[in-house]
Amino acid sequence: QKEVEQDPGPLSVPEGAIVSLNCTYSNSAFQYFMWYRQYSRKGPELLMYTYSSGNKEDGRFTAQVDKSSKYISLFIRDSQPSDSATYLCAMSGPNQGGKLIFGQGTELSVKP
Amino acid sequence: EAGVAQSPRYKIIEKRQSVAFWCNPISGHATLYWYQQILGQGPKLLIQFQNNGVVDDSQLPKDRFSAERLKGVDSTLKIQPAKLEDSAVYLCASSLIRGQGTNEKLFFGSGTQLSVL
Repeated sequence: QKEVEQDPGPLSVPEGAIVSLNCTYSNSAFQYFMWYRQYSRKGPELLMYTYSSGNKEDGRFTAQVDKSSKYISLFIRDSQPSDSATYLCAMSGPNQGGKLIFGQGTELSVKP
Repeated sequence: EAGVAQSPRYKIIEKRQSVAFWCNPISGHATLYWYQQILGQGPKLLIQFQNNGVVDDSQLPKDRFSAERLKGVDSTLKIQPAKLEDSAVYLCASSLIRGQGTNEKLFFGSGTQLSVL
């Protein structure tokens, strides 16, 4: 069993739709949770960062962490064609610094 | 602010050949990481440096992979000899410090895409 599971998609939605991306994990020690966006032929860039459980909102993006269920989500409201990318969840435990455990990524396509 | 620079962007080699990748992190970033991203998978950490010392190389296949970070700035990752399964994108990332019990924002370069034939 992988430490982090993520549905690879691909996911195709019309412009303006609400997108929901999810990851599950098995390591209860994880306490830092991130979402990265990766455009084709580019490196990942940090989109959202959450410490422990709870919600965090940044513009059209909302990240949720439910540690009791070992489940994290990213919601994108009013999706745009420019949101078309691969979305990677990542997480780490205490004192792990930059040793991130990534999900395999979900490929999202937003159609005009 | 300049980002993480990597070269070359693409490399094609035959199995059993050797290859080297170069990374220049963001100025002032003490910590440097090499990640391997196989097609359809998320990145996997190979090695982490803080300044010029190795912090974590537990997932580096040391029989064929080596990395160094001389003078605590640039870094090179070498594969010798390469295998077919080494085909992947090799991502370099850097962060300001290595936090104690905290996480840090990683900045990734665009990567080197390696194809081993």
